[in-house]
Amino acid sequence: KAGVTQTPRYLIKTRGQQVTLSCSPISGHRSVSWYQQTPGQGLQFLFEYFSETQRNKGNFPGRFSGRQFSNSRSEMNVSTLELGDSALYLCASSLRWGGYNEQFFGPGTRLTVL
Amino acid sequence: QQQVKQSPQSLIVQKGGIPIINCAYENTAFDYFPWYQQFPGKGPALLIAIRPDVSEKKEGRFTISFNKSAKQFSLHIMDSQPGDSATYFCAASGGGANNLFFGTGTRLTVIP
Repeated sequence: KAGVTQTPRYLIKTRGQQVTLSCSPISGHRSVSWYQQTPGQGLQFLFEYFSETQRNKGNFPGRFSGRQFSNSRSEMNVSTLELGDSALYLCASSLRWGGYNEQFFGPGTRLTVL
Repeated sequence: QQQVKQSPQSLIVQKGGIPIINCAYENTAFDYFPWYQQFPGKGPALLIAIRPDVSEKKEGRFTISFNKSAKQFSLHIMDSQPGDSATYFCAASGGGANNLFFGTGTRLTVIP
């Protein structure tokens, strides 16, 4: 069974630009969560999608947004990039929303903002 | 504010040793406590998880000990091997929600 895939793996952008990251969950998984990982703040929850609806949101500014498609694939978008947005963005998929579901992480997208 | 506090930040043990990583939390609504292992260039991978209705759980060489009254839990790695060298994260969530609150991570080095 293929794991969680994230594209692109690496991305370099400049301040003020916007970026879209993509995540394909494990086949059959319907919940997708996004996390930001930085050396200073560690792993922080961004948001979770299930059945194309945002179910949960972390404490990030509105520049961070996401969506989920009918095939459970998800995208996250960051607008007006800032230097501090440089991070590893991780996507995790799980079977369903609610309950104690094992989350499987992808390899992440490394975003560098210059 | 860090909802899950993890220590130590780094740990070096000899092969065969038993590294212990500790985590503490304040939010009594947390009721699911997983541990993740992350290798460089990879995403975190679930090692083992525990619910507060048990005080200990073992899976292979990995053991979680859980102290509900102290709001602390720890990971023990038995007979550690150089291949266990990685960063370990504890995490917590509550109410059946998938959003995890992670500790700051422990970089473990196992010396051959």
